[in-house]
Amino acid sequence: GDSVTQMEGPVTLSEEAFLTINCTYTATGYPSLFWYVQYPGEGLQLLLKATKADDKGSNKGFEATYRKETTSFHLEKGSVQVSDSAVYFCALSSKYGNKLVFGAGTILRVKS
Amino acid sequence: DAGITQSPRHKVTETGTPVTLRCHQTENHRYMYWYRQDPGHGLRLIHYSYGVKDTDKGEVSDGYSVSRSKTEDFLLTLESATSSQTSVYFCAISLTDQETQYFGPGTRLLVL
Repeated sequence: GDSVTQMEGPVTLSEEAFLTINCTYTATGYPSLFWYVQYPGEGLQLLLKATKADDKGSNKGFEATYRKETTSFHLEKGSVQVSDSAVYFCALSSKYGNKLVFGAGTILRVKS
Repeated sequence: DAGITQSPRHKVTETGTPVTLRCHQTENHRYMYWYRQDPGHGLRLIHYSYGVKDTDKGEVSDGYSVSRSKTEDFLLTLESATSSQTSVYFCAISLTDQETQYFGPGTRLLVL
C-alpha cells in the first residue's frame, strides 16, 4: 500500500540555520504531495503542496519539490525562526482515492 | 481558517463506556474525515464520509462507528472505549476527494 517515510526527529537548529526535512514515498499512480505543520496545541495546517512531478510548492519561506525519479518531497527553508518550532508532517493523496497517508511527523525545535 | 469545530476538546472516560465526538463545519464541504494521531504513527484515517448518510471505513476503523445525518455534522462513536483508544482525534473536511483537507483543532481523549 501507499506509505510515507520521514526523517526521525527531533531536529534542533539555531535561529537562521538552514532546514531540510527528508520525505520519501511509495505509491501506485501519481499522488499529490503535501506538507502539513502542527504548532503546539493546535490542529494541522496545510503548509504547501505539489500535484505533479517537478512542481515546487512554497509558502512562508518553505519549499519542497516533487521528485518522481527519487520519490521524494523534501522540505527546505533557508533561515529558520523560533516561531517555526512545530511538528511537520509529509503526506500523500492517491489519485485513485480520497485518503491522505501521513508520515510519522518530524519535531523541529529552533533555539534563539 | 476553515470553519471546523470539534467537541469536546478534552475528555477523560473509563474503559467500557461509550463516547461520542462531534465535528461541526460551516463550509458546506461534502467530504469529512476522522483521524487519530499517535506518536510514531502520524495521523491514521478511521472513517470518512462522502455525503449525508454515506460513510466508509479507513485504515483503523475497528472499535469505531460514525454517522452523518446532516452535511455539517460528523459524529465518531466509540461504543465501548478501551485504553488503546487513548489518542488525539482530528476531524478534517474537503470540498471534493481531490481537494486539500482542512483540519479541526482536535479532541484529546484519555481512556482510563
